[in-house]
Amino acid sequence: KQEVTQIPAALSVPEGENLVLNCSFTDSAIYNLQWFRQDPGKGLTSLLLIQSSQREQTSGRLNASLDKSSGRSTLYIAASQPGDSATYLCAVSADTGNQFYFGTGTSLTVIP
Amino acid sequence: NAGVMQNPRHLVRRRGQEARLRCSPMKGHSHVYWYRQLPEEGLKFMVYLQKENIIDESGMPKERFSAEFPKEGPSILRIQQVVRGDSAAYFCASSLRSGAFTDTQYFGPGTRLTVL
Repeated sequence: KQEVTQIPAALSVPEGENLVLNCSFTDSAIYNLQWFRQDPGKGLTSLLLIQSSQREQTSGRLNASLDKSSGRSTLYIAASQPGDSATYLCAVSADTGNQFYFGTGTSLTVIP
Repeated sequence: NAGVMQNPRHLVRRRGQEARLRCSPMKGHSHVYWYRQLPEEGLKFMVYLQKENIIDESGMPKERFSAEFPKEGPSILRIQQVVRGDSAAYFCASSLRSGAFTDTQYFGPGTRLTVL
């Protein structure tokens, strides 16, 4: 059974810093990996989707990498802003089945 | 194009009552997924439905929980005889094509169920 772990559970940084969030998964037989943002009391917003054949995806200040063989992904946020404060979730989908397996998230606080 | 809509956003029930959670997928999407987020835990898959069919219910509790996605109208997640352990946020997602591995899933804002 797929297990997804995110480290750290919480992170607090001053505005302007670059930061890295980590995600690891136990079963490398994935089809894709997706990073989401969850604001308090809100739903999930998809940030980046990486297919298993890809190594990274970029969107604005965000860059996500995938090392499928080692079961790891990182989300890099450049020049962090207070508006980036949220919980970031990593989810992987198996190459069979219909669901995403989610990590418990990293709660990010960017201090002005 | 409206996103995935869920209602109610907040639902309070007493133990033993029934809870009905509704999800309207994005326009043009015919695949719906329900997830549950317990306090301090990650989202857990419950069920995947297409119109009028349950495709995968491997994450659904065996008792008291049921889901449907009728030909017309929203998808419904129904919890009978709720208990305090059912208190959670319930998220619905929809996709254009079938299965997580072929297309991204778009999530709704969730329904937060509190059982007193």
